[in-house]
Amino acid sequence: ETGVTQTPRHLVMGMTNKKSLKCEQHLGHNAMYWYKQSAKKPLELMFVYNFKEQTENNSVPSRFSPECPNSSHLFLHLHTLQPEDSALYLCASSQARTDSYGYTFGSGTRLTVV
Amino acid sequence: DQQVKQNSPSLSVQEGRISILNCDYTNSMFDYFLWYKKYPAEGPTFLISISSIKDKNEDGRFTVFLNKSAKHLSLHIVPSQPGDSAVYFCAASASTGNQFYFGTGTSLTVIP
Repeated sequence: ETGVTQTPRHLVMGMTNKKSLKCEQHLGHNAMYWYKQSAKKPLELMFVYNFKEQTENNSVPSRFSPECPNSSHLFLHLHTLQPEDSALYLCASSQARTDSYGYTFGSGTRLTVV
Repeated sequence: DQQVKQNSPSLSVQEGRISILNCDYTNSMFDYFLWYKKYPAEGPTFLISISSIKDKNEDGRFTVFLNKSAKHLSLHIVPSQPGDSAVYFCAASASTGNQFYFGTGTSLTVIP
């Protein structure tokens, strides 16, 4: 498999649930990212991992918890989310931060919090 | 505060005509710009880029123009094809920074 793969594609969860989003890349990239895309808003950077180390946390609430066990896998653990957290969550990777070819994105997980 | 703005949420163009998508930015430190294309149910894919040392970059039917003094860039698609119908995002970064900043996207519809 090539590219960036995200699972699940769709997720509906209650506010008291705990779930995890998974991202996997087989591109040999060193940096991985979580972005949030809400309606009529720009893509919002949430977390950056560079060589498995978290280098950015853009003031994301603690109900979102990232994990990067290796340079190919990235998780986003979710707990006690709010309805306003419903959005498309995109994972991306790049050879380096601000790679000149930008990022390779996954197809995203459409999250609905009820 | 939004550093990259795409003020037109949607655009409709007849097949064969030119599509022009616009993007404005506020941070004068930005020196690298990208356009991404996104189809429904897919992630954004890289389309074309330009660095601040150039004012134009062309790749087939796609041309990006950069006006640094106006802090404005545009993507021209000519001729437009129905398969170009998608959401287009512009993104900007500074060589001294560590991330790309994205606009809100413009949804392009090319009418056959």
